[in-house]
Amino acid sequence: QKEVEQNSGPLSVPEGAIASLNCTYSDRGSQSFFWYRQYSGKSPELIMSIYSNGDKEDGRFTAQLNKASQYVSLLIRDSQPSDSATYLCAVKGLEWNAGKSTFGDGTTLTVKP
Amino acid sequence: KAGVTQTPRYLIKTRGQQVTLSCSPISGHRSVSWYQQTPGQGLQFLFEYFSETQRNKGNFPGRFSGRQFSNSRSEMNVSTLELGDSALYLCASSPPGLEVYNEQFFGPGTRLTVL
Repeated sequence: QKEVEQNSGPLSVPEGAIASLNCTYSDRGSQSFFWYRQYSGKSPELIMSIYSNGDKEDGRFTAQLNKASQYVSLLIRDSQPSDSATYLCAVKGLEWNAGKSTFGDGTTLTVKP
Repeated sequence: KAGVTQTPRYLIKTRGQQVTLSCSPISGHRSVSWYQQTPGQGLQFLFEYFSETQRNKGNFPGRFSGRQFSNSRSEMNVSTLELGDSALYLCASSPPGLEVYNEQFFGPGTRLTVL
């Protein structure tokens, strides 16, 4: 079992729809959770971080965390073609290992005009 | 603030050679982590440096090494290159603070091709 698993893509949604990206993790000691966006040929760009159970909203993006279920998700409302990218879920664990993020394989999102 | 910078951006080497990649973190950031990204394995953690000390190391052979200088700039070295080392090498820096919650900011990467 991979440490961080993301729903297999690719995911295609029409412009204006809600895109839902999911991620599960295996280490119950995980403390912090991040979503990155990576355009083709570019490096990952941080979108959001979340540390506590519940929802965290930033513009069109909402991150949701459920530590009991070891589940984190990213919702993108009013999806735009410019949101087409690979979305990476990353997890950080105990503080002694704080410099290491464990990444999922990513979900590729295509938003169709 | 300037972002994380990496040099060179592209590199072509042949098997058996060695290579050194450089990373300059965001000003004030003392933690620098290195990752390897390949289509088959995704983003894999190589190692992390903080205040010139390696704090964490991923599951890579000893051919992969790194160091950090007093100004927080970091280098990674790969000796005896293999075809499988072809990848995008990414450097990320983190701000000071409670580090398990710290976000990592990535540089543009160095695309290494081994022929």
